Amino acid sequence: EAQVTQNPRYLITVTGKKLTVTCSQNMNHEYMSWYRQDPGLGLRQIYYSMNVEVTDKGDVPEGYKVSRKEKRNFPLILESPSPNQTSLYFCASRDTSTYNSPLHFGNGTRLTVT
Amino acid sequence: AQSVTQPDIHITVSEGASLELRCNYSYGATPYLFWYVQSPGQGLQLLLKYFSGDTLVQGIKGFEAEFKRSQSSFNLRKPSVHWSDAAEYFCAVGPVSTGNNRKLIWGLGTSLAVNP
Repeated sequence: EAQVTQNPRYLITVTGKKLTVTCSQNMNHEYMSWYRQDPGLGLRQIYYSMNVEVTDKGDVPEGYKVSRKEKRNFPLILESPSPNQTSLYFCASRDTSTYNSPLHFGNGTRLTVT
Repeated sequence: AQSVTQPDIHITVSEGASLELRCNYSYGATPYLFWYVQSPGQGLQLLLKYFSGDTLVQGIKGFEAEFKRSQSSFNLRKPSVHWSDAAEYFCAVGPVSTGNNRKLIWGLGTSLAVNP
């Protein structure tokens, strides 16, 4: 089954404790992206990746890092999380061989930073 | 500036009633338009998309949407709502290109509740 898998689904941590949210897709998509979803602010892009070793900032990259060492994986790293990073996070991927093919989303990771 | 407006933050309908969720956009060219649904605890799932051609598009789960260029709208409809349709619905328009990144502009969503 074609899917984007995020782990963990829920994460509670404390300020400053480094964490990684994993994302993996099995569709051989070149494009992957991370979003955060906050009430009243909608879906905002954090980082995106056009291909292996090609990443770039989205709209709200501060406080986040990503890496793309393999095509299928695109982890999101919070090296020193802060309470304002409490949010619902989504990873997504897209087939770039078709113009404006739709995004495929993971089921989300709800992060709470205390 | 490009934008997407979903005027209704929250809508409640009775099961079996018809549904229309509104989406208005501001975009400089012919847009690509999408509706996604987010069920509780789930990611966003594509309901339907419009790129060109017939302005009435059919999607999954019995949904349809109509593109009206003159009104800059892409409203989502369903003739008879089921309790399982309770979810958050997002309209998106694109592409918006910044460098190599072709991304979508997202509405803030409409939360749908369905009364039995």
